[in-house]
Amino acid sequence: AQSVTQLGSHVSVSEGALVLLRCNYSSSVPPYLFWYVQYPNQGLQLLLKYTSAATLVKGINGFEAEFKKSETSFHLTKPSAHMSDAAEYFCAVTPNPNTGFQKLVFGTGTRLLVSP
Amino acid sequence: DAGVTQSPTHLIKTRGQQVTLRCSPKSGHDTVSWYQQALGQGPQFIFQYYEEEERQRGNFPDRFSGHQFPNYSSELNVNALLLGDSALYLCASSLAAGSQPQHFGDGTRLSIL
Repeated sequence: AQSVTQLGSHVSVSEGALVLLRCNYSSSVPPYLFWYVQYPNQGLQLLLKYTSAATLVKGINGFEAEFKKSETSFHLTKPSAHMSDAAEYFCAVTPNPNTGFQKLVFGTGTRLLVSP
Repeated sequence: DAGVTQSPTHLIKTRGQQVTLRCSPKSGHDTVSWYQQALGQGPQFIFQYYEEEERQRGNFPDRFSGHQFPNYSSELNVNALLLGDSALYLCASSLAAGSQPQHFGDGTRLSIL
């Protein structure tokens, strides 16, 4: 079954430092991959998506992710963390992208903590 | 352009009761999915509706049921509530076309006493 694994339930960085959140996927077919962010008491906001086009995907708020098939990874990065980036981040995979109906399988999430 | 809206925002019920949660999709979207997010966990897929029919279902018991109306809005019903049903219930809407991402509402926080 398709799944995603997010390494590290918590990641702490200083403001201005590089952000790296790790996601590895398992899929028997080329997947669609997504990163979502969740702020306290809110729903999920789409940061970026990979749907088999360019392997380096740029998203909102300065985030980007690179799809690496050989490593089955889709890590999320941001060159310089801002205090407002503190939130929960979820990686998700679509198990059957060739069908018309897309359910998302989520990882367990990584909480990003940003210190001044 | 209104996004996905859910109601109510918070709800408190007791064990054995029944609950109905509501969702209005983003304008132009025709597909609605429901997810359950337990505290400290990632969202888990419950089911998806398109053209008023349940198209996919996750690993949830029959106590969880849903409906989609002609205007694409949707309801999630849960019967015989258990303590373990306490969670944030998220609605997501999208277009049925394959690569279109899902847009989420802010969720309904359901607490079971």
